[in-house]
Amino acid sequence: KAGVTQTPRYLIKTRGQQVTLSCSPISGHRSVSWYQQTPGQGLQFLFEYFSETQRNKGNFPGRFSGRQFSNSRSEMNVSTLELGDSALYLCASSMQGEGTEAFFGQGTRLTVV
Amino acid sequence: GESVGLHLPTLSVQEGDNSIINCAYSNSASDYFIWYKQESGKGPQFIIDIRSNMDKRQGQRVTVLLNKTVKHLSLQIAATQPGDSAVYFCGESNDYKLSFGAGTTVTVRA
Repeated sequence: KAGVTQTPRYLIKTRGQQVTLSCSPISGHRSVSWYQQTPGQGLQFLFEYFSETQRNKGNFPGRFSGRQFSNSRSEMNVSTLELGDSALYLCASSMQGEGTEAFFGQGTRLTVV
Repeated sequence: GESVGLHLPTLSVQEGDNSIINCAYSNSASDYFIWYKQESGKGPQFIIDIRSNMDKRQGQRVTVLLNKTVKHLSLQIAATQPGDSAVYFCGESNDYKLSFGAGTTVTVRA
């Protein structure tokens, strides 16, 4: 059974640009969550999707957005990139979301210069 | 507000000894708790979970203890091995959101 796949693995962008990250969940999983991981802030929750609906959102500015498709694949977008957006972005999938085991991908390492 | 924290940022343990990693949470409404292990360059890997209607759960070489009275979670690793060296995160789930503590870096000494 394939795990959670995130693409790309590494990305370098310039301030002001936008970026789209992709996450393919484990087959059969309908919940996808996104997290930002930085050395100073740890793992911070961005948002969670289930059956194309966002059920919760973390405390991030509106520049951070996401969506989920009917096949449960998810994308997150960051517009007007800032240096502080440099981080490891992790995606996790689970069967139902809350209260069920979530499996993480390897992450996308975003560097903003 | 909610917060999940680990008592110690680092833990050094002798190979073969038992490890105990502690975590405090503040949201009494959380009903599901989980531990992850993250090795350098990899995503977090599930270790064990526990629901709020339990106070103990055992896995292979690992035990999670939940004390709801004092909002405390711990992970015990038996016979710690070099491969256990990693950053360990505790997480609490509420309202479709997993919140994590800052992590404890475990280093196993040979």
